[in-house]
Amino acid sequence: DGGITQSPKYLFRKEGQNVTLSCEQNLNHDAMYWYRQDPGQGLRLIYYSQIVNDFQKGDIAEGYSVSREKKESFPLTVTSAQKNPTAFYLCATKFGGPFSGNQPQHFGDGTRLSIL
Amino acid sequence: GENVEQHPSTLSVQEGDSAVIKCTYSDSASNYFPWYKQELGKGPQLIIDIRSNVGEKKDQRIAVTLNKTAKHFSLHITETQPEDSAVYFCAASSSGSARQLTFGSGTQLTVLP
Repeated sequence: DGGITQSPKYLFRKEGQNVTLSCEQNLNHDAMYWYRQDPGQGLRLIYYSQIVNDFQKGDIAEGYSVSREKKESFPLTVTSAQKNPTAFYLCATKFGGPFSGNQPQHFGDGTRLSIL
Repeated sequence: GENVEQHPSTLSVQEGDSAVIKCTYSDSASNYFPWYKQELGKGPQLIIDIRSNVGEKKDQRIAVTLNKTAKHFSLHITETQPEDSAVYFCAASSSGSARQLTFGSGTQLTVLP
């Protein structure tokens, strides 16, 4: 989606290193999500945020951390505690806050993270 | 929590034929079902969605049907074209306030010229 920018497109992590993936949006959407995609699998939810300064763990939050200091930005840090970080990471946004009902999620074009 | 199963995992069709992808879900309270198309190296793109108060929705060559009783929904693509080749994901929205999506494992559709 043109309104969601993920960077970098490719990222390499060394042993014991933390890396941060960027997700910026200009859609004025309240909710933002991080998913992990492994080959041949669906998307699994890592973290989500429905409003600024609030975020919740998803199904596979261990070894990851996030912040939501601005509405436009939701960076994901892959920490050294994540032992198998090689995957395709997708950021998504959704219009409306917690009580806005079902709305579609819109995705960025992802960051591919690999281990050196 | 919600569980979504998607079949088949791969599907090859001849150009011009129809393609059908099926999904089942476990949470009877789920009420929103989007379908996404993902091309290689790109993020998923929403192609159609359906809410639980309707049984069918169409958009040109794409249609989705929903059977709430059986807890399954299907994507139908008619008159397939080579540019329809991609991975397709179904998803179901949870009933909680967070409205999380649970995704199926994807179907690799190949349209043969």
